[in-house]
Parts: sequence; structure tokens; C-alpha cells
Amino acid sequence: KAGVTQTPRYLIKTRGQQVTLSCSPISGHRSVSWYQQTPGQGLQFLFEYFSETQRNKGNFPGRFSGRQFSNSRSEMNVSTLELGDSALYLCASSLVAGLQETQYFGPGTRLLVL
Amino acid sequence: SQQGEEDPQALSIQEGENATMNCSYKTSINNLQWYRQNSGRGLVHLILIRSNEREKHSGRLRVTLDTSKKSSSLLITASRAADTASYLCATDGNNRLAFGKGNQVVVIP
Repeated sequence: KAGVTQTPRYLIKTRGQQVTLSCSPISGHRSVSWYQQTPGQGLQFLFEYFSETQRNKGNFPGRFSGRQFSNSRSEMNVSTLELGDSALYLCASSLVAGLQETQYFGPGTRLLVL
Repeated sequence: SQQGEEDPQALSIQEGENATMNCSYKTSINNLQWYRQNSGRGLVHLILIRSNEREKHSGRLRVTLDTSKKSSSLLITASRAADTASYLCATDGNNRLAFGKGNQVVVIP
């Protein structure tokens, strides 16, 4: 079974631009969650989607948004990029909602904002 | 908000030795999970221990959970160079996973 895939793997943007990251979960998984990882703050929860519905959201500004499609693929969007948005963005998928079971992580998208 | 916090932060050991790292958290949990991360890449799930379990084994890994102390430990026995990585604990609460900053483990061949 193929693992979680994320595209693109690397991205360079400038301040003020917007970016869209994509995540394809493991086949059959309906829960997708997103995380931001930085050296200073570590791994922080962004949001979780299950069956196209956002179930929970972390403490991030409204510039961070996401969605999930009927095939469970998910995208996250960051608008009006700031230097502090430079990070590794990870998505994870799971069979069930609620983040209480094993999460399977993708390789991440490394975003650099200049 | 609750957060898994690992202790110690960095550990350097010789191949064949055991490595132990700890994680503490602040609020009640359903499960606690340990993950491994190599060089800023994606996380690999190692083991999940439920709140009603006290100890769990998986290969060379042994995890304990003490809910009264709100702490967990991860033991890697007979370490190998390939075990060099960052090890993070994650707790579930408020319908989200909260991760610690991670323990960096370096296994010297």
C-alpha cells in the first residue's frame, strides 16, 4: 500500500505570496491532519479533516486554511506569507477521526519564505 | 494546553547500549504515541500505548506509561547506528495531537 504523499517537497516563496500544499492519504484513510514544524516551536497542530469536514483547528491565524476532497486528498493554503511561515509542513492520515489512533505521516513539504 | 515534553533533550550512546528517554504531559490522555524522525523528514510511528496500559513492547522498543505521574518512557535496547534520530512523544487531548520537541539520539558505531 502506498504511503502518504505530499507535493511539492520543496517550495520557495516571497513574503506576501500565497501557497497551496497537497496531501494524498493512504488509500482508505479518511482522516487527514496537518502540522507545522519549526526549530523554535516544534511540531504544532494545524487542523484535522475527516470526510471533507474540518473537525478541529489549532491556534493559527486565519491565513492558514485547508480543505478535503471527496477522495480524501487534502490541501492547505497559506495566504499573505510571512517570514515566520518558513517551516516543514507535515500531513498525516489515519483510518478514523480524532487523532487517537496511529497517524501515518508523509515526508513533508519544506517551505522557505524570503 | 497539554504538551508532550521529552527529557533529556539529547543523548549520545555507543552502538549496543540502551537508550532511555522520558516524556511528561499535563492533562488526561486516551493514548500516548512515540514517533521517530530522521533529519527533518516525516515521522515514523513507533508505538502507541493506551491510558489503561502500563507497558508495551515492540521489537527492541519498550514503552511504559504512568498516568498518575503523567509520564512515559521509551527504551531502545541494543541500539544500532540506524537508530540515530529524533524521538518525539505525542499525547492526544482536545481532539489534537500535542508533540514534544523531541529527544535527539546519536548512536556511535
